[in-house]
Amino acid sequence: GNSVTQMEGPVTLSEEAFLTINCTYTATGYPSLFWYVQYPGEGLQLLLKATKADDKGSNKGFEATYRKETTSFHLEKGSVQVSDSAVYFCVLSESHAGGTSYGKLTFGQGTILTVHP
Amino acid sequence: GAVVSQHPSWVICKSGTSVKIECRSLDFQATTMFWYRQFPKQSLMLMATSNEGSKATYEQGVEKDKFLINHASLTLSTLTVTSAHPEDSSFYICSARYQETQYFGPGTRLLVL
Repeated sequence: GNSVTQMEGPVTLSEEAFLTINCTYTATGYPSLFWYVQYPGEGLQLLLKATKADDKGSNKGFEATYRKETTSFHLEKGSVQVSDSAVYFCVLSESHAGGTSYGKLTFGQGTILTVHP
Repeated sequence: GAVVSQHPSWVICKSGTSVKIECRSLDFQATTMFWYRQFPKQSLMLMATSNEGSKATYEQGVEKDKFLINHASLTLSTLTVTSAHPEDSSFYICSARYQETQYFGPGTRLLVL
């Protein structure tokens, strides 16, 4: 089956520091990969996505590249802000229509990020 | 675009009562919606897949008679927690699929006293 492994947290950084949250996956089909962010007390918001190998997703200064050879989708940001403090989830979706897992998401365990001024 | 809403955002109820949570896709039609449960400081657990016009598909270990799901239209799915007990207290989140991406509602926090 599919699985997603995220870097264990919590991660604590100072403002303007460089952020990397590692994510690796195993999948039997042709997955799409996502990073979702959850702010305290809220639902999940899509941060960025990549639907095929070598795609780079980017949004709000965050980037992640779909690396099929290393089965990874690491999240990076060059300079974090206090407002980036949240929980980040690496998520895999089986995208091959007709597959038994089509549409279902596989979540990583989430990484808590805290950014201090 | 691709906004999903949930109502209510939080609810407190007495043990033994039933609680209905609504999930709506505001600007798109969703033949499939998903219901998740999230415990504090944990990831989301998929409870069931809600299919418009047909029965929901429940994940292993989720009681279908406890968590009733109805997907009556292309923009609305409801989750009813029947005879709620304190152990049902949790954060319930729905999602809907739009153009190969799932969009999540803001969640409903349920507290059963």
